[in-house]
Amino acid sequence: EVQLLESGGGLVQPGGSLRLSCAASGFTFSNYALSWVRQAPGKGLEWVSCINASGTTTYYADSVRGRFTISRDYSKNTLYLQMNSLRAEDTAIYYCAKGPSGYENYFDYWGQGTLVTVSS
Amino acid sequence: DIQMTQSPSSLSASVGDRVTITCRASQGIGNYLVWYQQKPGKVPKLLIYAASTLQSGVPSRFSGSGSGTDFTLTISSLQPEDVATYYCQKYNSAPPTFGPGTKVDIK
Repeated sequence: EVQLLESGGGLVQPGGSLRLSCAASGFTFSNYALSWVRQAPGKGLEWVSCINASGTTTYYADSVRGRFTISRDYSKNTLYLQMNSLRAEDTAIYYCAKGPSGYENYFDYWGQGTLVTVSS
Repeated sequence: DIQMTQSPSSLSASVGDRVTITCRASQGIGNYLVWYQQKPGKVPKLLIYAASTLQSGVPSRFSGSGSGTDFTLTISSLQPEDVATYYCQKYNSAPPTFGPGTKVDIK
């Protein structure tokens, strides 16, 4: 059974940093692209970042490029999102999502999400 | 970047009604489109990929069609458990943009 378990969310002040983690199990981690998708309270879905299966290619939404960094650790089967220079508008539930292949960017499995709140 | 729009933004229909949601891309995306269902307080669920292929386990009352710039999601007979927000998303190239969503409830 595919499982994606996010952690690392919490309350942080504007300008601060957080690192989100997503522990993956139930599939061959090195074979699939992974993404972070966020959802602000009461709002729609916003794709944030993705990384391909080999970890060689990453993409970012314009809203986070230069502030967020996606990475993956194959020894731990874990996806990360390092978030720096956080802003109030980054407040959202952050979901880890699995692609159906090594490179396709749609999502057949989602984690339960972790809430990030940016506020003073 | 390619923009995705959806219409209507919300709808209310009776149980058993046929419901159609439209998604439009600002440029052609072939058939690189998926649909998700997000029930209140829940995680999004993949319904359809490649514009018209039903994900395993999804009821057959859901169907998708279209290619290029115009796509539709149809629920052939609306059920109470279909109350949700439905999102389209393109995946032909980065960024994999979502539509703004269509909220469906029961009249």
